Amino acid sequence: SQTIHQWPATLVQPVGSPLSLECTVEGTSNPNLYWYRQAAGRGLQLLFYSIGIDQISSEVPQNLSASRPQDRQFILSSKKLLLSDSGFYLCAWSVYAGAMRTEAFFGQGTRLTVV
Amino acid sequence: SQELEQSPQSLIVQEGKNLTINCTSSKTLYGLYWYKQKYGEGLIFLMMLQKGGEEKSHEKITAKLDEKKQQSSLHITASQPSHAGIYLCGADAAGGFKTIFGAGTRLFVKA
Repeated sequence: SQTIHQWPATLVQPVGSPLSLECTVEGTSNPNLYWYRQAAGRGLQLLFYSIGIDQISSEVPQNLSASRPQDRQFILSSKKLLLSDSGFYLCAWSVYAGAMRTEAFFGQGTRLTVV
Repeated sequence: SQELEQSPQSLIVQEGKNLTINCTSSKTLYGLYWYKQKYGEGLIFLMMLQKGGEEKSHEKITAKLDEKKQQSSLHITASQPSHAGIYLCGADAAGGFKTIFGAGTRLFVKA
């Protein structure tokens, strides 16, 4: 069966420090991968999505970047964190079943607090 | 770009009461998803609707997609404390490569 691992679960980082959040998927090949952010009291904002290795689309201009060094690994990074980067970060995956894309399956999230 | 509006933003109901959450799209929906989220956790998939007029049920939760495929509703019958959480609707966008979400409806169930 497929599983998704996201870590760390919580993170407190000072302003100006770097960030690296990692997400890995097991049990499937060539998944679509996604990074979402959920700010307090707000919905899910799609940050990046990837349909293949080194194929990444950025949805919003921001202080973050994403990389996909392997088929089932998706990394969210920042060189210098801002206070506004605080939030709940969720990784997700989906695949194509025939011509249809499955629903997205989510990790347990990382709560990032920038202080 | 496509946007999803959910209403209400929050809802407090007495245990045993029925409730409805709505999701309206600015464009035709080709894949509409309902998820539930408990605070501080990931999203749990509930149901997916694709066809106009489609209706699906799981236990006491029923989701419908209207004929014009621009509005969906989630109905909970005889609510229980276990139904409490945030309900989010999502929709396929960009040729189906990604899913966008509404702001969510926070449901509280009073015992």
